[in-house]
Amino acid sequence: SAVISQKPSRDICQRGTSLTIQCQVDSQVTMMFWYRQQPGQSLTLIATANQGSEATYESGFVIDKFPISRPNLTFSTLTVSNMSPEDSSIYLCSVEDSDRGASNEQFFGPGTRLTVL
Amino acid sequence: QKEVEQNSGPLSVPEGAIASLNCTYSDRGSQSFFWYRQYSGKSPELIMSIYSNGDKEDGRFTAQLNKASQYVSLLIRDSQPSDSATYLCAVPTGGGNKLTFGTGTQLKVEL
Repeated sequence: SAVISQKPSRDICQRGTSLTIQCQVDSQVTMMFWYRQQPGQSLTLIATANQGSEATYESGFVIDKFPISRPNLTFSTLTVSNMSPEDSSIYLCSVEDSDRGASNEQFFGPGTRLTVL
Repeated sequence: QKEVEQNSGPLSVPEGAIASLNCTYSDRGSQSFFWYRQYSGKSPELIMSIYSNGDKEDGRFTAQLNKASQYVSLLIRDSQPSDSATYLCAVPTGGGNKLTFGTGTQLKVEL
């Protein structure tokens, strides 16, 4: 399966600032996704990152708070804007590896652990 | 009704026993089902995919799917302490590529 890396792996940020998280894949993939996993909770999809067009956001998530870029088929960024302590979470990118020929299988990066003070 | 439901556990089994993890889903149109394993502090790892009714075996893992009952399970035979983790069930929803995850079942394999 595709090898996925994320930067940074963790960060501690001040309230009101923004953080951009990078997701890099070692092969071209069509579908990339961004999830949030709050402490002790399961994964919640934030948005689907579409190459060459705006991301598709899930209910409860908006572009002004979580702007996403997808400049090519191997890279995406998620920005967490104007952060508050409630944004403290693990942020995960995932890809659907179409080369495997199996639909909907997603593989996750190592995650970014964000703490907002 | 939640789209994907799992018992949160913890489920405790002795080493060498069979661990049985269950998941129900609400979307009758779902065609694929996934089990992920997540160790504490790590990201989810895909361990099983199942697409048709019946059983699918991979080593010590068996996934069982019953679409009529909207039920998918994961059996872990000869459980090992290294199997202690949270197991997440995931189902595509909304007719597209996005996955909805259950809340996960924490498994503890005790010596």
